[in-house]
Amino acid sequence: DGGITQSPKYLFRKEGQNVTLSCEQNLNHDAMYWYRQDPGQGLRLIYYSQIVNDFQKGDIAEGYSVSREKKESFPLTVTSAQKNPTAFYLCASSSTLPIAGVRDEQFFGPGTRLTVL
Amino acid sequence: ELKVEQNPLFLSMQEGKNYTIYCNYSTTSDRLYWYRQDPGKSLESLFVLLSNGAVKQEGRLMASLDTKARLSTLHITAAVHDLSATYFCASPSKGKIIFGKGTRLHILP
Repeated sequence: DGGITQSPKYLFRKEGQNVTLSCEQNLNHDAMYWYRQDPGQGLRLIYYSQIVNDFQKGDIAEGYSVSREKKESFPLTVTSAQKNPTAFYLCASSSTLPIAGVRDEQFFGPGTRLTVL
Repeated sequence: ELKVEQNPLFLSMQEGKNYTIYCNYSTTSDRLYWYRQDPGKSLESLFVLLSNGAVKQEGRLMASLDTKARLSTLHITAAVHDLSATYFCASPSKGKIIFGKGTRLHILP
């Protein structure tokens, strides 16, 4: 079945530690996204990538880093510079419509819940 | 700044009642997406509205799009407890998709 997987489902981080969240898709989508969601809040865009080996900062990129070495994979690293990383992290992907700059609907992974100890 | 604004942000209603969630957007897109999120879960795609005047229905939910007014509505008919969730609308713009803040719907039995 096609879909998006995220791992781990739960992650605990100690102060000063970097952690990496995995996101893999087999939908053959060219674009991938990372969002952060705090309790009772909406989605905030961290990073997005429209093609392999290229990515752009979203609204809250500070303290995070990403890579896009393969079309299927878009891992997110939460660095020690991110002072308040406890949140629910969602990865999404979408295809590009044959209309310049227009993205098709996003499909979301199940999420990773990160807690700082 | 491009925005997607939902109204209301929180809605508590009795089972059996009808209500409408509004989504105003400032992008120039002719497409609008609706998603549902259950507590502690990810987002699930509900509707994809592709053009002006588009209307889609699934069970007790009906979504419509007016691109001239830059307005989409999500109408709930005869609400049931199972529809309790947070609903997001979203509009594509410049390689991204901009989400509204979500409407938390609580349906009382």
